Amino acid sequence: SQQGEEDPQALSIQEGENATMNCSYKTSINNLQWYRQNSGRGLVHLILIRSNEREKHSGRLRVTLDTSKKSSSLLITASRAADTASYFCARSNTGKLIFGQGTTLQVKP
Amino acid sequence: DTGVSQDPRHKITKRGQNVTFRCDPISEHNRLYWYRQTLGQGPEFLTYFQNEAQLEKSRLLSDRFSAERPKGSFSTLEIQRTEQGDSAMYLCASSPHPGLKSYNEQFFGPGTRLTVL
Repeated sequence: SQQGEEDPQALSIQEGENATMNCSYKTSINNLQWYRQNSGRGLVHLILIRSNEREKHSGRLRVTLDTSKKSSSLLITASRAADTASYFCARSNTGKLIFGQGTTLQVKP
Repeated sequence: DTGVSQDPRHKITKRGQNVTFRCDPISEHNRLYWYRQTLGQGPEFLTYFQNEAQLEKSRLLSDRFSAERPKGSFSTLEIQRTEQGDSAMYLCASSPHPGLKSYNEQFFGPGTRLTVL
C-alpha cells in the first residue's frame, strides 16, 4: 500500500498561475523525491530533497520539506499548459521508492 | 535513445495465460526496479536487483510472479496464470551505482500495459 498521501487529488488552474501540491508521509526518510507523469513522457524525476534540507529550487519548481510534520510541498510557479500532468511524491527506502497517490494538475491555456 | 526501454508496450492476454515482459536499463546502471501502477494510483514497488542479485521483493509479488536479471543487464518479469486483477501498467526503472551523487534518482521506462481478459 502507499505510504504517502497527496493533497489535493486534483487541481485545475489557469496558465500563469502558481500550483501548490502537498505530500505527507508516515515514517522517517533519507530523502523525498517528486516525479511527474504524463502520457507523452512517462514518469520523470523532477527534484530530490534530502532530510537535512528544508528548501530546494529547480527552475520554476520549489520544494519544501518539514520533517517535524512529515510533509513536503511542491510549488510550480508561472504554470504552463505543458505542466498538465500527474505529480507524485516518493520517499526513498533502501533504494526502492514508495509513491503517494498523486495530484492531477490541469493547466488551462 | 539511451533511456530505459520496455517490451512489449502493450499486452492483451486471456486469464490463465503466462506473460513475460522485458526491461533494458540504461547501460551503466547497476540497479533495476519493477513497479506496478493501476489507474489513478501511484506506482507500487514489486522488486529490485543490484547487478544480477534480487535484493528485495514486495509482499505484492505473489508466487505467480517471478523476475530475473541473469547477467546483470536486462531483466524479465513473468506472470504465470494471469488473473484479471493483474491488469495494470508494469514499469521498469534503473539507477546508477550507489555512491554517485544522483544514485537515488530513478529513470523510468515507458511501461508495459497489461490487459487480462
